[in-house]
Amino acid sequence: EPEVTQTPSHQVTQMGQEVILRCVPISNHLYFYWYRQILGQKVEFLVSFYNNEISEKSEIFDDQFSVERPDGSNFTLKIRSTKLEDSAMYFCASSRAGGGGTEAFFGQGTRLTVV
Amino acid sequence: ELKVEQNPLFLSMQEGKNYTIYCNYSTTSDRLYWYRQDPGKSLESLFVLLSNGAVKQEGRLMASLDTKARLSTLHITAAVHDLSATYFCAVDVKRGGSQGNLIFGKGTKLSVKP
Repeated sequence: EPEVTQTPSHQVTQMGQEVILRCVPISNHLYFYWYRQILGQKVEFLVSFYNNEISEKSEIFDDQFSVERPDGSNFTLKIRSTKLEDSAMYFCASSRAGGGGTEAFFGQGTRLTVV
Repeated sequence: ELKVEQNPLFLSMQEGKNYTIYCNYSTTSDRLYWYRQDPGKSLESLFVLLSNGAVKQEGRLMASLDTKARLSTLHITAAVHDLSATYFCAVDVKRGGSQGNLIFGKGTKLSVKP
C-alpha cells in the first residue's frame, strides 16, 4: 500500500542551526502539507503546497520556515535557525487532487529536538 | 478563527462498554475527519464525513456528522483493548477542491481496560 515516508525519524540539532526535514509523498498525490505536534499537544497546520507553490500557510510558518519540492518525488521543510520551541514532531501529508473531501495521508513523522 | 473542541480529552473505559466522543467546531464546514494516533506513531485516517447526516462505520467505531449543529460524534461499541489510542477530529476550512488547512481538536486519549 502506498505511504508517505519521512526522513530522518529523529533529528537532534543545536539551537541556531538549520535543519531540513524530508518527505516522499504518495506518488500520484498533488497536494502536500506539513503539520507539527508539540509533545502532548494537538496537531497544528503549517503549510500546504500545490503546483510548486505555497497555497496556504499558518501564522506558525514564519520567515524561518521554507518548503521546496526539489525534484519529482521529495518535499522538504527547512527551518533556517532553529529555536528551542521548534522541538516537535513534524508530519508530512499528501492528498490527491480533485473533488472535495479527499483525505490526507500522513507520514510517520520526524521528531525534531532542538538543544 | 475556527475552533475545534473535543470532549472528553481523557477517557478510561472498560472492555465491552460503549461510549461517545464529541467534536464541536465553531464555523461552517462540511468536511470532517477522524484520525487515530498510537503513541509515537503517525495519524491514521479513520473516517471522512462529507455531508450533513453522514454516518460511517468501521468495526466497533461509528462516526456521524451534523453540520447544522456543527457536531460530530465517534461512537465506540463494546470497546476492546486494541482501541486504546488518541483520537483526533479535524475540520477542513477550505471549500472546494482538495483538502486544505485542517484544524485539529486536542484529541481524546482513550484507554480501554480489561
